[in-house]
This record gives sequence, structure tokens and C-alpha cells, in this order.
Amino acid sequence: QVQLVQSGSELKKPGASVKISCKASGYRFTDYAMNWVRQAPGQGLEWMGFINTNTGNPTFAQGFTGRFVFSMDTSVSTAYLQINSLETEDTAIYYCARLVGDSFVWFDPWGQGTLVTVSS
Amino acid sequence: DIQMTQSPSSLSASIGDRVTITCRASQGISTYLNWYQQKPGKAPKVLIYAASSLQSGVPSRFSGSGSETDFTLTVSGLQPEDCATYYCQQIYSFPWTFGQGTKVEIK
Repeated sequence: QVQLVQSGSELKKPGASVKISCKASGYRFTDYAMNWVRQAPGQGLEWMGFINTNTGNPTFAQGFTGRFVFSMDTSVSTAYLQINSLETEDTAIYYCARLVGDSFVWFDPWGQGTLVTVSS
Repeated sequence: DIQMTQSPSSLSASIGDRVTITCRASQGISTYLNWYQQKPGKAPKVLIYAASSLQSGVPSRFSGSGSETDFTLTVSGLQPEDCATYYCQQIYSFPWTFGQGTKVEIK
């Protein structure tokens, strides 16, 4: 079955970097783009952008440029989110989610989420 | 950016009740609207895509309607397992945006 499995929780200090992985299985990785979504504690969902897994080209939502990096390794069907120069405000659960559909698109499935805590 | 506004922010209903959640877009988005369900401690799951198409495997008590700026998600016969937060999402234009969520509780 189609599944996205993310890496485990991270505790980082301000100014550090973190790299989260999202391993896909059950489908051809390069057939579907991969989204990243942030959910701050007790808050709603915020779309960060996606990576075209065919070309490696990323698209970022405003507010997620500069410190955020989307990458992938097609040999292991894995997408990555790296956040540099971490700030306490980056504390959140980060989800990867496959983009499906053609003219109408939606996110399915989602990874289980990775909690990143930024604290001194 | 297109703003998505859901109402109410929370509601409490009894088992078997018909529950309606509304989502309003700040500009017309045709039917480029999805609905997700997020249970506590879990990842979101798609319920409805393209405003009214039921995702495979989702119970038929969930339905969606609307176009342009006004959309509704209806649960016809609330069940205990429907206790969750529901989000609408527009995929009409970048950046794709979500509503703030509607928390559904059981009375």
C-alpha cells in the first residue's frame, strides 16, 4: 500500500539545522510531487511548498524561502526537508504529503509527521 | 493570497446529528476545494476533493458542496469516530491555503 514514513522527532538549539526525511513506498516515487506542511503547536495547517520529484524543482510558499530546502534521493524514494538557522518559532510538526490528481489535486497520503522542537 | 475562513471554529453535536461546516474563500476558486479530517495526534486525511468528490474509502455520510466562494462539508449522522478537526484547502492558486479548522466534539 502507498505509505509515507517520516524520520523521528528532533530537538535542536536555535541557529542549528535539521533535516527531516520522508520515505515513500508502494508507488513510483517520481510520478508524484511531494508537499511539505507545517503545523505549529495547537495551530492549523500551513502549506510550505512542494518538490517536483521528476525534475527536483522546488516550489516554495511565501514565508518559506531562504532557510528552507527541499531535496530528494530517487534511489531510495525519499524526500527531505532541511531547515537552516532554526528559530524557536520553527517548533512544529512537519508533514510530507503526496500530491495526487491532475487538474484537481489533493494531498494523499500524509506522513505521520515529525516533531521539531527548537529550544535553548 | 486567497484567505479561507471556516465557521464555526468549533461545535458540539450529538451522535446521529447532521453537522454542517462552512468554508468561505476570499475570491472565487471554482471547485478547487478539498476537505481534510485530522484526529488528535494523527496526520490529516483527505475526505473530499474537487468540492464534492468523495475520496475512496471515506464513509458516505460525508459530503461536500459549493463553488466559487462558498462551500460546505456535511456529516449526515455524526458518529463517535468523527470527533476531529476539519480543514478546507484551496488549490486554485499558489500559495495553496487552508482554513483555520473546525473542531467537532461529541456531546
